[in-house]
Amino acid sequence: NAGVTQTPKFQVLKTGQSMTLQCAQDMNHEYMSWYRQDPGMGLRLIHYSVGAGITDQGEVPNGYNVSRSTTEDFPLRLLSAAPSQTSVYFCASSYSIRVDRGGSEQYFGPGTRLTVT
Amino acid sequence: TQLLEQSPQFLSIQEGENLTVYCNSSSVFSSLQWYRQEPGEGPVLLVTVVTGGEVKKLKRLTFQFGDARKDSSLHITAAQPGDTGLYLCAGPRRRGNKLVFGAGTILRVKS
Repeated sequence: NAGVTQTPKFQVLKTGQSMTLQCAQDMNHEYMSWYRQDPGMGLRLIHYSVGAGITDQGEVPNGYNVSRSTTEDFPLRLLSAAPSQTSVYFCASSYSIRVDRGGSEQYFGPGTRLTVT
Repeated sequence: TQLLEQSPQFLSIQEGENLTVYCNSSSVFSSLQWYRQEPGEGPVLLVTVVTGGEVKKLKRLTFQFGDARKDSSLHITAAQPGDTGLYLCAGPRRRGNKLVFGAGTILRVKS
C-alpha cells in the first residue's frame, strides 16, 4: 500500500492564481481531511469528509474548496491564492469516521509546501 | 472553545537525559492522541489514551492521561537522537467530527 499520497511536494503561486492540491489514499478509509501547518500554530483543520459525496468545513475553510467524488481522492482547491495561504498542507485519512472513537488514527501524507508571492 | 496547550514549546537536551512534555486544556476530552512529526514528513500516531488516569508505555515513552481527562503528559526516559522531532497532542471536539491539535513541542536530542 502507498498509504496517503500528495502532489505536488512544492508549489509557488502568484497572488490570485488558483490551483488544486491532490490527495489520494489506497486504504479504503472513509474519513479524509485537510490541514494546514504554520509555525507555532500546530495543525488546523480546513475541510473534512466522512465519505464520497459528503464534505464539511473545518476551522479555517475560507479560500478553499473540496469535493469527494470517490473514496480514494480528496482534492483541495485554492480559488484565488493569497500570501496568507503560504503554509504546509497535509492530507490525512482515517478508518473510523468518528474521530472520538477507536480506530481514529490519522494517517498523514508527506505534505505540500506552498508559497504564495 | 476547546484548546490544547503544549509546553514547553522547545526543548533541547543531551542524549541520555529524561524529559516530560505536557498537553493541557480547560476542557474535558473523551480521548487524546500523541503524534510525532519528523522534518519534511507528516505526523505519525504514537498512542491514543481514552480513560482518565490511564498510563501507556511504548518502549522508553510513557504517556499519561489526567484523571479529569483535561491533560496528558509524555515522558521520555534516556532520550536518544532518534527521538528528535515535533510532538503533537490532539483530541476530538465535543461537537462536530473534528480533531483539534496543540501547537506542539519541538524536541532536539543532542549526541
